Amino acid sequence: GAGVSQSPSNKVTEKGKDVELRCDPISGHTALYWYRQSLGQGLEFLIYFQGNSAPDKSGLPSDRFSAERTGGSVSTLTIQRTQQEDSAVYLCASSLSGGTTGELFFGEGSRLTVL
Amino acid sequence: SQQGEEDPQALSIQEGENATMNCSYKTSINNLQWYRQNSGRGLVHLILIRSNEREKHSGRLRVTLDTSKKSSSLLITASRAADTASYFCATDANSGGSNYKLTFGKGTLLTVNP
Repeated sequence: GAGVSQSPSNKVTEKGKDVELRCDPISGHTALYWYRQSLGQGLEFLIYFQGNSAPDKSGLPSDRFSAERTGGSVSTLTIQRTQQEDSAVYLCASSLSGGTTGELFFGEGSRLTVL
Repeated sequence: SQQGEEDPQALSIQEGENATMNCSYKTSINNLQWYRQNSGRGLVHLILIRSNEREKHSGRLRVTLDTSKKSSSLLITASRAADTASYFCATDANSGGSNYKLTFGKGTLLTVNP
C-alpha cells in the first residue's frame, strides 16, 4: 500500500485477555518501529526491527509484550494477559533503512482499551 | 527515559502570529527531526536537520540546531488555524552497531486561534 497500515484501529478488551496488533509497513522499508503513546503523552519506544531481526527490544515494558516480523514485512505486536495500564495508542512506523537519516512514516495507530 | 524534551508543553497564539517551540536533548546526536501530530492521527515528518547544520528552512518552517547547547527550535511563521497540532522533536540514539532508533519528547501542543 501507499502508507503504513495498522489494524485494528480500535480494540477494546477485558483485563487478562491477549491481543495482537498488526502493522503493514511501506513496501521496501527495512526498518520497522513500534511506539506506545498514552493519553497526552509523548511516544515511548518499544521495539525496533531491521529486516526480521530486532536489534533493540529495550523498550518492551514487560515479558507480557512480544513482537515479531516475518518476511521483512508485516509485524505483529502481542500483549499477553492485558492490564489496564496497557491502554494506549500503539503506533507503528517504518523507514527505508535503519540508519541515522531515516525519516519515519507512521501509521494511524491502534487504540487499545483494557477494561 | 525521554531523550528530547520540548517546551513549552502548550502554546496558544492568534492566526498570523509566529510560533516557536524548543527542544532540548541529552546525548550526542547525528540528526534531529521534527514531527507533527494532529489529534487522533499518526505522526507526520516535517523536517530533519543534521548535526553539522545550524539552520534549515522548509516553507513556513525554520529549524535551528545548537549542538553546544544540545537544543533545537522550530519556528512556524504566519501561523494558520490548520497548524493546530502537537509538535514533537525526535533524536537518534545508537542501538548497537549501525542500528539507530528515534526517541521522542512529550511534545508541544500548539493551538492557533482564528
